[in-house]
Amino acid sequence: NAGVTQTPKFQVLKTGQSMTLQCAQDMNHNSMYWYRQDPGMGLRLIYYSASEGTTDKGEVPNGYNVSRLNKREFSLRLESAAPSQTSVYFCASSGQGHRGYTFGSGTRLTVV
Amino acid sequence: QQQVKQSPQSLIVQKGGISIINCAYENTAFDYFPWYQQFPGKGPALLIAIRPDVSEKKEGRFTISFNKSAKQFSLHIMDSQPGDSATYFCAASMWSSNTGKLIFGQGTTLQVKP
Repeated sequence: NAGVTQTPKFQVLKTGQSMTLQCAQDMNHNSMYWYRQDPGMGLRLIYYSASEGTTDKGEVPNGYNVSRLNKREFSLRLESAAPSQTSVYFCASSGQGHRGYTFGSGTRLTVV
Repeated sequence: QQQVKQSPQSLIVQKGGISIINCAYENTAFDYFPWYQQFPGKGPALLIAIRPDVSEKKEGRFTISFNKSAKQFSLHIMDSQPGDSATYFCAASMWSSNTGKLIFGQGTTLQVKP
C-alpha cells in the first residue's frame, strides 16, 4: 500500500536548469496537488488538479508548470530553476472533496 | 495575504503538560478545519478535523476547540508526550468544494521535554 510516491527525494540544481518532479498515487483519487513548504510559511499550494485532464493555479504558481498525465500521475516542472525555488515539495491526493487526503514524503530541492 | 494565521511559531512543553496551538482564519466561507502532524523527513498526516456545526471535537489526547464568531480554532494536546514532538499545521477549506484545496497556517514546531 504505497499511497503517494514522489521522486526524487533529493535534488540539487544549478540556476537555470530544468527538472520535473514526479508524483504517483495508487488510491484511485480524483484530485492531486503540489505544495511547497518553506520555514515560517507553512505549506503553499502551487497547482492542483481536481480531476484527470484539468489543472488550476494555486497560491504560488509562478515559475512552475504541471501535467496530469493520467489519473495516477501528476508532475511538476521547473523550466528555469531559481534560488527562490529552493524548498521542500510535497505532492498530495484526495478522493472526492477531502476524503483520504494523503501526502507524499516530499522532495528536497536546492537551487544553487 | 495570509488567510490562516497560526501561533506560536514554536512551543516547548514539559512531559505531561498541555500544548495549545491557535489559528485564526479570514474567509467566512471556510467550513472544514483539519490539523496535520508532520515528523522530520515525512509528509504531513491528518491528525484531527472539525466542521463548524460543533464547538469541540476530541480524539484521545487531542482536542479541537472552534469559535465561529471569533473565526478561531485551536488544538489542545493533553498529557503531552515526547513522541508528540513534531510540527503541527492548521488548515482551512470549503467542505463542499470538489477540489479539496487546503489553505495552511505557518506551522508550529512542538518540543516536548522528558
